Amino acid sequence: DTEVTQTPKHLVMGMTNKKSLKCEQHMGHRAMYWYKQKAKKPPELMFVYSYEKLSINESVPSRFSPECPNSSLLNLHLHALQPEDSALYLCASSQDTGEEADTQYFGPGTRLTVL
Amino acid sequence: QKEVEQDPGPLSVPEGAIVSLNCTYSNSAFQYFMWYRQYSRKGPELLMYTYSSGNKEDGRFTAQVDKSSKYISLFIRDSQPSDSATYLCAMSPFSWNTGKLIFGQGTTLQVKP
Repeated sequence: DTEVTQTPKHLVMGMTNKKSLKCEQHMGHRAMYWYKQKAKKPPELMFVYSYEKLSINESVPSRFSPECPNSSLLNLHLHALQPEDSALYLCASSQDTGEEADTQYFGPGTRLTVL
Repeated sequence: QKEVEQDPGPLSVPEGAIVSLNCTYSNSAFQYFMWYRQYSRKGPELLMYTYSSGNKEDGRFTAQVDKSSKYISLFIRDSQPSDSATYLCAMSPFSWNTGKLIFGQGTTLQVKP
């Protein structure tokens, strides 16, 4: 099973709202990622968690707050977003050792619209 | 100059054609190469993964890596309308490079019936 699930599929929020995106994988992967993808652009890395610890923050604004409650779950808490934050938010996971360590498996994404 | 260059297309071919998708890169340290397929409004799906130089075949798909030329290719034989998608190349210098993949811009492919 190479499935990464994400909820919700779609989210519309106002600039003063607080919402969360959720991601889950059951492949035993110890690395999990959040990406942001704008139309006709490649995914842009936001955060990397390795063994439930934040290992990379690509200078993401603090209105995005990641959380890794356990090795299977990854959340992205959203607060006071701007309309330009509207995008497809992708979660991915991978092994962090072995030959295929960089093979990342992506979820279907959450399409976020900020009004 | 971007680390990875990929022609965004769009590339339009008739059904049954052989499709060649390509990426060039500048960092000679890259050793791990991936191709992802992304349908409109969906997440990327891993198609092929290769390590170092050589070919890898999976059904109608063949991935080639030429490290001497810093050039990778994905060939699709007997293309189908269902292959219409954006194809992203991605690469990394070594196993577990902190998890950072370097993506190409993606090539949009349309296969016409």
